[in-house]
Amino acid sequence: DAGITQSPRHKVTETGTPVTLRCHQTENHRYMYWYRQDPGHGLRLIHYSYGVKDTDKGEVSDGYSVSRSKTEDFLLTLESATSSQTSVYFCAIAGTSGIHYNEQFFGPGTRLTVL
Amino acid sequence: SQKIEQNSEALNIQEGKTATLTCNYTNYSPAYLQWYRQDPGRGPVFLLLIRENEKEKRKERLKVTFDTTLKQSLFHITASQPADSATYLCALATGNEKLTFGTGTRLTIIP
Repeated sequence: DAGITQSPRHKVTETGTPVTLRCHQTENHRYMYWYRQDPGHGLRLIHYSYGVKDTDKGEVSDGYSVSRSKTEDFLLTLESATSSQTSVYFCAIAGTSGIHYNEQFFGPGTRLTVL
Repeated sequence: SQKIEQNSEALNIQEGKTATLTCNYTNYSPAYLQWYRQDPGRGPVFLLLIRENEKEKRKERLKVTFDTTLKQSLFHITASQPADSATYLCALATGNEKLTFGTGTRLTIIP
């Protein structure tokens, strides 16, 4: 398995509280992604990063922010959690080769419940 | 609007038969398409990538086709086994090293 971990693996929190999820990689890959996965919607991209301090929005970025101060860490923050953010969150990484056709390696996921 | 559809939410196949999963898309022109496998409680795992100029790609019992005119990819598992039971996701390259995923097909191989 690619060296990618997520923490915490499970979290229960209350509406209105801030939450930070961490993704850590040991592969030195350039690209990192945060997805959420919900029944009926599949995997949807929240934010992604193409380098240290370089991030961009995905399909469902409202209510989320990210930061990447080091190659190995990509943080996802819910500033004020809402029940609609109850989901399973996956981090993924991808490297680069001579051409931009690269597979993504996924972490084990974080199950977040917002009460 | 852009859309990726995988033919059915669930598919049951008898062991030993060929399972065929479909991924259709509209309003995309992907440079490549990927297939992933996801087991319950785990993250997706990459299986195969096929580029827009490739018609077919094989890996062991897996075969993927890509028809950019029909805007469709077919994913085949030959000689299917119960261990092949999982959810299979197609994903399109939608620019800037990003992927857009279909909602997946849950495949069950019946012994």
